[in-house]
Amino acid sequence: DAKTTQPNSMESNEEEPVHLPCNHSTISGTDYIHWYRQLPSQGPEYVIHGLTSNVNNRMASLAIAEDRKSSTLILHRATLRDAAVYYCILEAGGTSYGKLTFGQGTILTVHP
Amino acid sequence: DAGVIQSPRHEVTEMGQEVTLRCKPISGHDYLFWYRQTMMRGLELLIYFNNNVPIDDSGMPEDRFSAKMPNASFSTLKIQPSEPRDSAVYFCASSFGFGSTTYFGPGTRLLVL
Repeated sequence: DAKTTQPNSMESNEEEPVHLPCNHSTISGTDYIHWYRQLPSQGPEYVIHGLTSNVNNRMASLAIAEDRKSSTLILHRATLRDAAVYYCILEAGGTSYGKLTFGQGTILTVHP
Repeated sequence: DAGVIQSPRHEVTEMGQEVTLRCKPISGHDYLFWYRQTMMRGLELLIYFNNNVPIDDSGMPEDRFSAKMPNASFSTLKIQPSEPRDSAVYFCASSFGFGSTTYFGPGTRLLVL
């Protein structure tokens, strides 16, 4: 499975934008880029995903580099509820169809 | 839909006992996943099914672990015999497959004494 690299931790202040980076230099042309987050004592929760183009939804935006070797999850205004572990995951086709392999993620701390 | 349903939510058992974890996926989803989470190893994929058929069980730690999906609305993960190192949170998840959203259940917190 193609690997992703994320910073171990990041900090932000409440109501400020947060940019969470992810490197995936070995991405294949058909790999989807997914972001999930896990709040304390809960299961992982879907945030956003994309293939080639930037994506927006009510939770966040996903900016994908032109060469697709990196992406950035953007939380436009961080709240205390956004404090979580954020996982950047590549979903490959072929024999790994549908499978998500989680790395260590980025621990986001949001300060009031 | 009520989301992915797991039972029990908490399980405390003694070493050597059989443990059965249960999962009801979201209706219509044809992929079902079992994950395990520990502080040391993070989130690990144990096994996943497509249309009730196991596709990849390479993450199952050893023969003490087995999983079944007898129909589209039910799956079990069984540990027999259980050991203290099996203590973890076990998540079940389901999806429509490639390129779609995976929905996770609330997890079963297992403690083996």
